[in-house]
Amino acid sequence: GAVVSQHPSWVICKSGTSVKIECRSLDFQATTMFWYRQFPKQSLMLMATSNEGSKATYEQGVEKDKFLINHASLTLSTLTVTSAHPEDSSFYICSAIASAYEQYFGPGTRLTVT
Amino acid sequence: GEDVEQSLFLSVREGDSSVINCTYTDSSSTYLYWYKQEPGAGLQLLTYIFSNMDMKQDQRLTVLLNKKDKHLSLRIADTQTGDSAIYFCAESIRTDKLIFGTGTRLQVFP
Repeated sequence: GAVVSQHPSWVICKSGTSVKIECRSLDFQATTMFWYRQFPKQSLMLMATSNEGSKATYEQGVEKDKFLINHASLTLSTLTVTSAHPEDSSFYICSAIASAYEQYFGPGTRLTVT
Repeated sequence: GEDVEQSLFLSVREGDSSVINCTYTDSSSTYLYWYKQEPGAGLQLLTYIFSNMDMKQDQRLTVLLNKKDKHLSLRIADTQTGDSAIYFCAESIRTDKLIFGTGTRLQVFP
């Protein structure tokens, strides 16, 4: 149990275009999901907290107009990178709260902006 | 403030025990976690410990918590080549937001 999926697993896009990444909890409902960003050989940086039915909470320094988050259902959160630029290239990982103490992570999405 | 630190690398021989250490600064942490990340993959929850516990054992994994020194360790018994990965400790201040350590790259050689 407690499986989180992400789609796509990798994506290449041109500078200036937008990319949507999906995060799904497959066998449980998640009112709260998180989006992280990870640079090569670095730790995870929390970008935002996605709450079902309400606006996302962004961490300091994360542009909410650039990284649009929608948590439309209890099993799906989406992250849209708008007007992507090469510096947005990164590994994006989502996670979902399965219980009060357990947070499960998706396999990640590698975004490359050319 | 919130700061979680780990040593960057650990190299062990197959069959030996591995001990990965972590220090944190926020004494109000409620839960502390260990996650494993293999190359190009997401994070796998290995185990977690409540802050009022000293030790937790789960098969080959033993977690020790010294709350006074704010020190957490993960011991892997009989380390195998499949254990090679990056290990992250993380603390939760509330029940949701996680603060991750810098990660320890474990390399297991034959």
